Amino acid sequence: QKEVEQNSGPLSVPEGAIASLNCTYSDRGSQSFFWYRQYSGKSPELIMFIYSNGDKEDGRFTAQLNKASQYVSLLIRDSQPSDSATYLCAVNIYNAGNMLTFGGGTRLMVKP
Amino acid sequence: DVKVTQSSRYLVKRTGEKVFLECVQDMDHENMFWYRQDPGLGLRLIYFSYDVKMKEKGDIPEGYSVSREKKERFSLILESASTNQTSMYLCASARAGSPNNEQFFGPGTRLTVL
Repeated sequence: QKEVEQNSGPLSVPEGAIASLNCTYSDRGSQSFFWYRQYSGKSPELIMFIYSNGDKEDGRFTAQLNKASQYVSLLIRDSQPSDSATYLCAVNIYNAGNMLTFGGGTRLMVKP
Repeated sequence: DVKVTQSSRYLVKRTGEKVFLECVQDMDHENMFWYRQDPGLGLRLIYFSYDVKMKEKGDIPEGYSVSREKKERFSLILESASTNQTSMYLCASARAGSPNNEQFFGPGTRLTVL
């Protein structure tokens, strides 16, 4: 079983809708959770990270963490065609320094 | 502006060749990483370095070695390239001290081994 799981998609949403991306992880020692966005042919770039249970908002993006259920999600409000990309969930395990374990990514398509 | 650079965007090598991939960061970061990215498998960590001359194996170190002689430079070496090492290789760096520190990625090197 992979340590970090994501639905590969594609997830297709209409422009202006809310896109919901989900990620589950297996290691209960995980302490920090990251969402990276990767456009086709480009390298990943950080959108946001979360380490406490609950919600964290940054502009149109909201990360949600539930450690008891071992999942983290990313909501994108008012989705735009420019949000079309692959979204990578990454998990930092306690005492692993800055090492991250990545999920396989979810491809999001926002249709005009 | 933070920057991680990689020596080549595209590289074509033959089976059995020794291959060097270079990564340089200008942010004075302690930690540097090499990943490979394959469709459906996401990013997988090959090696990690937390200081000059220090290295740790990641999830898939077989067939690879690394070198970190200077803080800003981290090299990935394929001792004898094989076709199953055809992949996108990504280098990243991060400041030490907090698990929340962002990893910054280079543009990637697409390696094809024939």
